[in-house]
Amino acid sequence: EAQVTQNPRYLITVTGKKLTVTCSQNMNHEYMSWYRQDPGLGLRQIYYSMNVEVTDKGDVPEGYKVSRKEKRNFPLILESPSPNQTSLYFCASSRQGHFNSNQPQHFGDGTRLSIL
Amino acid sequence: LAKTTQPISMDSYEGQEVNITCSHNNIATNDYITWYQQFPSQGPRFIIQGYKTKVTNEVASLFIPADRKSSTLSLPRVSLSDTAVYYCLVGDIGKLIFGQGTELSVKP
Repeated sequence: EAQVTQNPRYLITVTGKKLTVTCSQNMNHEYMSWYRQDPGLGLRQIYYSMNVEVTDKGDVPEGYKVSRKEKRNFPLILESPSPNQTSLYFCASSRQGHFNSNQPQHFGDGTRLSIL
Repeated sequence: LAKTTQPISMDSYEGQEVNITCSHNNIATNDYITWYQQFPSQGPRFIIQGYKTKVTNEVASLFIPADRKSSTLSLPRVSLSDTAVYYCLVGDIGKLIFGQGTELSVKP
């Protein structure tokens, strides 16, 4: 089954304790992206990756890191989490279309992070 | 990057047609328009995508005028299960900006 898998689904942790949220897709998609979702703010893009070893900042990259060493994986790293990073996080992937077409994204089920 | 504007919320009744309009005045020549549906505690799910004129699939239609500065998602004969948040997305494959979404509530 084609899917985007995020782990963990839920995490409660404390300020300053490094954490990683993993994301894996089995569709051989070139494009992957991370979003955070907060009440009243919709989905905001954190980082995206056009392909292996190519990553770029989205709208709200501060406090986050990503890596794309393999095509299927795109982990989100919080080196020193703070309470304002408490949010619902989604990973997504898509094929890379022609002429900058925005190919439909497949989203994971989300990771709810609480930073105390 | 094209910023999108949608109504925050809409109410409807079962069996009615619902039209949700999204404004995107700064849309670029190569940008496509994509709509997603999101249920609580789930990731967004693709509904429909278009570039210009009209696109129809088994669940919705998308109307895009010639100037492409807006688009309208049309849901025919909604049911209670269509209660969700609907997002309009405009952009190229890289940096993407979702709007705040429209919360659609379908009542019996």
